Amino acid sequence: SAVISQKPSRDICQRGTSLTIQCQVDSQVTMMFWYRQQPGQSLTLIATANQGSEATYESGFVIDKFPISRPNLTFSTLTVSNMSPEDSSIYLCSVGNTGELFFGEGSRLTVL
Amino acid sequence: GENVEQHPSTLSVQEGDSAVIKCTYSDSASNYFPWYKQELGKGPQLIIDIRSNVGEKKDQRIAVTLNKTAKHFSLHITETQPEDSAVYFCAASIHTGNQFYFGTGTSLTVIP
Repeated sequence: SAVISQKPSRDICQRGTSLTIQCQVDSQVTMMFWYRQQPGQSLTLIATANQGSEATYESGFVIDKFPISRPNLTFSTLTVSNMSPEDSSIYLCSVGNTGELFFGEGSRLTVL
Repeated sequence: GENVEQHPSTLSVQEGDSAVIKCTYSDSASNYFPWYKQELGKGPQLIIDIRSNVGEKKDQRIAVTLNKTAKHFSLHITETQPEDSAVYFCAASIHTGNQFYFGTGTSLTVIP
C-alpha cells in the first residue's frame, strides 16, 4: 500500500484563521480523498480531490470553507477556512487504489 | 444510499477471549467490505477485507464473515491481546467505486 504523509500532524488554531493541511503520497494514485472525523465519531467524506480540476464536494461541504488543491497525482492540500470551534476535528487524507482505501495518520486540529 | 450500522459501540473482553463485531448494510449493490483499526492518535489502518464472492476470509487471528442474503458481515478476533485494543470501523462500498460508507465504530478494550 502507498505511504501517505500528512502535515501538520496537529495544530491549535485561533478562531477566524485558516489552516492548510498537506498530503503527500509516495506513489502516483488515481483517487485522493479528504475525510473529517469529529471527536469520538465515524469518518465523513468531505470531498474527492481531482487532479487538475475542481474537487467534488459531498453534501454539507462547500469549496469556500474547504478549498482543495491537487496539482499532481501524488499531492493534495485541504484548507480549513475561517475556523470556528466546531471545526475541531481530525482531518484525514486517503487514497484509493484498485478499489481499496488507505488513510494517512491524520491532522488533529483544535480551534480555540 | 447505503446505510451501515455497527454493533456494539463498546466491547470489553479478557485477554485470550474472542471478540466479535457486527455490521449490517442496506444496499445489495455493495460488494466490498473492509475493516479498519484505529489506534489512539493514528489514522485508520486497513486490517482485512472481504468481497461479495467470498463468504469468509482469515488472516492469522482475524477473520471476517459475510452473509449477502442477510446483508451483514462480522469481524472475529481470536486470542485477543492488549495490543488489539483500538476502535474498529467497518465499511461498505461498490468495489472500484469512490464512495465508502462507514459504520459508527466499536471501541474494543482487551483487559490483561
